[in-house]
Amino acid sequence: KNEVEQSPQNLTAQEGEFITINCSYSVGISALHWLQQHPGGGIVSLFMLSSGKKKHGRLIATINIQEKHSSLHITASHPRDSAVYICAVGETGNQFYFGTGTSLTVIP
Amino acid sequence: KAGVTQTPRYLIKTRGQQVTLSCSPISGHRSVSWYQQTPGQGLQFLFEYFSETQRNKGNFPGRFSGRQFSNSRSEMNVSTLELGDSALYLCASSPGGATGAGLFFGEGSRLTVL
Repeated sequence: KNEVEQSPQNLTAQEGEFITINCSYSVGISALHWLQQHPGGGIVSLFMLSSGKKKHGRLIATINIQEKHSSLHITASHPRDSAVYICAVGETGNQFYFGTGTSLTVIP
Repeated sequence: KAGVTQTPRYLIKTRGQQVTLSCSPISGHRSVSWYQQTPGQGLQFLFEYFSETQRNKGNFPGRFSGRQFSNSRSEMNVSTLELGDSALYLCASSPGGATGAGLFFGEGSRLTVL
């Protein structure tokens, strides 16, 4: 049983395309993070959400608590966006359940 | 402000040995959490320490243990290493106790068990 389901697993896009990654979860939630991991391992938290919507530059993240669903959107994708994106759902403290990740490749 | 520092970055051990990994959080952060990442299982939560107390623990055997010192630095230990313990071990620091606080990851310690 996967507490966090993420889709798609792999995504290839042309530069400039609009990208959506989805995350559904079954656990109770205190906060949800969208993480970005580049080759080599380093992980960065792009967004922390507990409700509504957040925007940083070309990235937008939304969460619907009632439907237990979150989406990460990338507008005008760029090759430097190529990375693995991981949804992390926190119940208490920093005990997170993780999605399996979406490997994004943006082709120039 | 310095980021989260993990040492060592790479290490190779043999089955049956034990290993200790270190994590220095961002100055002022009181929460340190540990995660294991493998190609097969992805990211999994190991445990979290807050103000020197283990606050949460994931579903890992007792061979995995940790502690946090008064300066918030944390160590994790894996005893009697198995081949399946080969993984990237990541720690993350957070300012306070709430899940809603930020989460900042170190670069990880890559463990290979032969």
